[in-house]
Amino acid sequence: GAGVSQSPSNKVTEKGKDVELRCDPISGHTALYWYRQSLGQGLEFLIYFQGNSAPDKSGLPSDRFSAERTGGSVSTLTIQRTQQEDSAVYLCASSRLAGTQSSYEQYFGPGTRLTVT
Amino acid sequence: KQEVTQIPAALSVPEGENLVLNCSFTDSAIYNLQWFRQDPGKGLTSLLLIQSSQREQTSGRLNASLDKSSGRSTLYIAASQPGDSATYLCAASGSRLTFGEGTQLTVNP
Repeated sequence: GAGVSQSPSNKVTEKGKDVELRCDPISGHTALYWYRQSLGQGLEFLIYFQGNSAPDKSGLPSDRFSAERTGGSVSTLTIQRTQQEDSAVYLCASSRLAGTQSSYEQYFGPGTRLTVT
Repeated sequence: KQEVTQIPAALSVPEGENLVLNCSFTDSAIYNLQWFRQDPGKGLTSLLLIQSSQREQTSGRLNASLDKSSGRSTLYIAASQPGDSATYLCAASGSRLTFGEGTQLTVNP
């Protein structure tokens, strides 16, 4: 079956512009996660959705970052007034409904490489 | 705060060798530990997931063990092949999934 998909695969934007990144989880997966992978900083958790609600958004680095999920499926991560330090690969993952955030295996998408010039 | 460390950071071996990748975590209150593979420019591929109640999981030439009390996990790769070359990440799940920095593996033909 289809895996997690993300779009765009690459995005180059000017500093100060807003960007939207999209994630389509595996059908039937109710949990959805966003991570950021920066050069030299490893993979960091950003936000987690269960259904359309976000029980844990504590990983978002600033109020310029926001995310939403509609219909228990597609999610968008929005970065406003982008800065050069936002340049990274943004990864999305999904998993089956879990009683706790991380009890089930997470399946990752290919990521969106964001470059802020 | 959970911290995950992977040793070594990089490893280069000749084809056919058996090898062990190490992962340690500071908080033993985890739900599971997951091993991933990441190829350059690609996302993460899940290899093995060990639930906190389990001691090991096997898939083909891969075997992962978990010792919660000592905060350690190992990934054993048998009879390594050039196609195994990738970065291997371990991640511990508590209130969130915390990743190590990864081990970059190169298997030389």
